[in-house]
Amino acid sequence: GESVGLHLPTLSVQEGDNSIINCAYSNSASDYFIWYKQESGKGPQFIIDIRSNMDKRQGQRVTVLLNKTVKHLSLQIAATQPGDSAVYFCAETFNDYKLSFGAGTTVTVRA
Amino acid sequence: DAMVIQNPRYQVTQFGKPVTLSCSQTLNHNVMYWYQQKSSQAPKLLFHYYDKDFNNEADTPDNFQSRRPNTSFCFLDIRSPGLGDAAMYLCATNKPGGQETQYFGPGTRLLVL
Repeated sequence: GESVGLHLPTLSVQEGDNSIINCAYSNSASDYFIWYKQESGKGPQFIIDIRSNMDKRQGQRVTVLLNKTVKHLSLQIAATQPGDSAVYFCAETFNDYKLSFGAGTTVTVRA
Repeated sequence: DAMVIQNPRYQVTQFGKPVTLSCSQTLNHNVMYWYQQKSSQAPKLLFHYYDKDFNNEADTPDNFQSRRPNTSFCFLDIRSPGLGDAAMYLCATNKPGGQETQYFGPGTRLLVL
C-alpha cells in the first residue's frame, strides 16, 4: 500500500505487502529527519533517521528516502507485519535540536 | 534497560488540583523536552531544558511549569489542571550536534475529573 507522494492520514495494507508512508516537510534548512512509530498508549519509538547529505538510508525492513528538491520524505516498510500497525510520524530538525512533527499516518495491517 | 523513564504511567487528578509528572533519563543527555499529545495528533512541544536553561514555547500556557533539579531528572507541574489538559505527556531527551537522536519515554496519561 502507498500514497504516491501524498500524505494520507490512514493507510491500510495487506500483511506481507510493502508499505510506503509519505511526509512533506516545511523547513528547507532542516538537516536531520527522523521517523517514529507510535503504538497505542506508548511513546514514539525511533525507527530510522537520515541526514540531509543523504537521499536514502536502509535499516532492517525499513528504508527512508529524502528528496530535498521537493521537501519530501518517505518511509518504506518491506513485508509489512501485524506488529507494524501503529501511527507513524515524520519529524524534521535543524542541528538535532527541537523537532517539528508532521501529521501522523495510521497504518493498519490486514491479515 | 529503559533509557527515558516516566512516572507515573497513568495519573488521575481533580479539576484545579496541582499535579506533577516526572521524567528521568540514564543517557546523560543535556536536553530534556516535554510534549503534550492529544488523541490522533502529533506531539506538541511545551518547553525544554538545554542544560540548566529553560526554554518555553510561545504558546505554552502559564499553567504549565517545569523544573530540572539535575541532569537526570525533569518535572512537569500543572498548577491548576483543566479538563482540556487531559492528554498524554511525553518526555524526550537528546544531545544536539549530531551525537544522539531524540528518544522518548513511554508517556504519562493524565486524566482530569
